[in-house]
Parts: sequence; structure tokens; C-alpha cells
Amino acid sequence: EAGVVQSPRYKIIEKKQPVAFWCNPISGHNTLYWYRQNLGQGPELLIRYENEEAVDDSQLPKDRFSAERLKGVDSTLKIQPAELGDSAVYLCASSLDYGEAFFGQGTRLTVV
Amino acid sequence: QQQVKQSPQSLIVQKGGIPIINCAYENTAFDYFPWYQQFPGKGPALLIAIRPDVSEKKEGRFTISFNKSAKQFSLHIMDSQPGDSATYFCAARGENSGNTPLVFGKGTRLSVIA
Repeated sequence: EAGVVQSPRYKIIEKKQPVAFWCNPISGHNTLYWYRQNLGQGPELLIRYENEEAVDDSQLPKDRFSAERLKGVDSTLKIQPAELGDSAVYLCASSLDYGEAFFGQGTRLTVV
Repeated sequence: QQQVKQSPQSLIVQKGGIPIINCAYENTAFDYFPWYQQFPGKGPALLIAIRPDVSEKKEGRFTISFNKSAKQFSLHIMDSQPGDSATYFCAARGENSGNTPLVFGKGTRLSVIA
């Protein structure tokens, strides 16, 4: 069974540029999470989806971050414009309802 | 504020030693406490988890000890091996209070030396 797939694995962009990350969750998993992991820190939740609905986006910086989960499957996280402080690993995870969360390998973003 | 406080930040043990990682929480609504293991370049993977109705849980060489009154829980790794070298995160969630999302500690970088 395929795990959570994220792309790209690495992204380097200049500040003020836009960037997008893509996540394909485990088949059948209705709950999807985006986490941000700063260097040397634990993951911090950005947004949680239950099917197509964002049920918890209180930690998402909405002035520059947006996310969508069309048809309740794949999800995209976008940053526009990116700032130097956005450099981090962006992790996607999925679960069946609120069971065990399985994480993807993450996208390492470097903003220069 | 940090909802789950984890210590130590880093740990070095000899092969065969028993590293212990500690976590403390404040939110009494938390009722699910997992530990995640993360290798460089990989996402976190669930290692073992406990709920507050038991004080200890063992899975292979990994043991969680849970102290509900003190709001603390810890991970013990028996007979540690170099392959256990990774970053370990404790986490917590409230399953019976609206399924709050996982909140993570800051992590402990474990090095097991031969």
C-alpha cells in the first residue's frame, strides 16, 4: 500500500515568490493534515481537513497561506508571497477519521 | 504556548543502554499520547501510543510509562541499538473532546553509539 505522497521533495525559491506543495493521502483516508516543522522543532499544525472541509485552520497564516482539498482527496498548500521565515519542512499526514496519522516525507522549502 | 514539554533536547547513550525521554502536559482534555520516531529526511512515524487508562505499555523494546496525576509520560528504549538513533517526538491529543489535533513536543535527538 502506498503511503502519503508529497511533492516536490525540495524547493528553493526567492522571497516574495509563490510556491505550492502537493499531497496525495493514503487511499480511503478522509482526514488530511498539513504541518510545518521548523529546524529542530516538532511539527505544528497548519490546517486539518475532514473530507473537503477545513475543520481547523486557526494556525494557518491566512494573509499568505492558502490550502485546498478538492474532491476530498489530494490537497495543495500554497504560499504567496513567501518570506524568509517560511523556510521549513512542510509535512502532510492523513488518517482514517481520527485514527493513527501517517506522515509523508515532507517538502523542504528554502526561501532565499 | 508549548502544550507538550519534552526533555532532554538531545541524548547520547552507549549501545545496550536505556535512554529515557520525558514529556509533560497541562491540558487535562488530552487522552491519547503517542510517540513518533523520525529519521533524517523522513516524516515522523508512529512508534507506540498510550491512553490514560493504563500506566504502562510495552511494544518490543519500547515502553511508555504514564503518570496521570503528574501529567507526565516517558519513553524508555531497552537494549538501545545504533539503528535507534533518530529524533523522538512525544505528542498528545484529545480524542474525547472534539478530536483535537495532535500537538507535538520539540523533540529529542537520540544518538546510540557502539
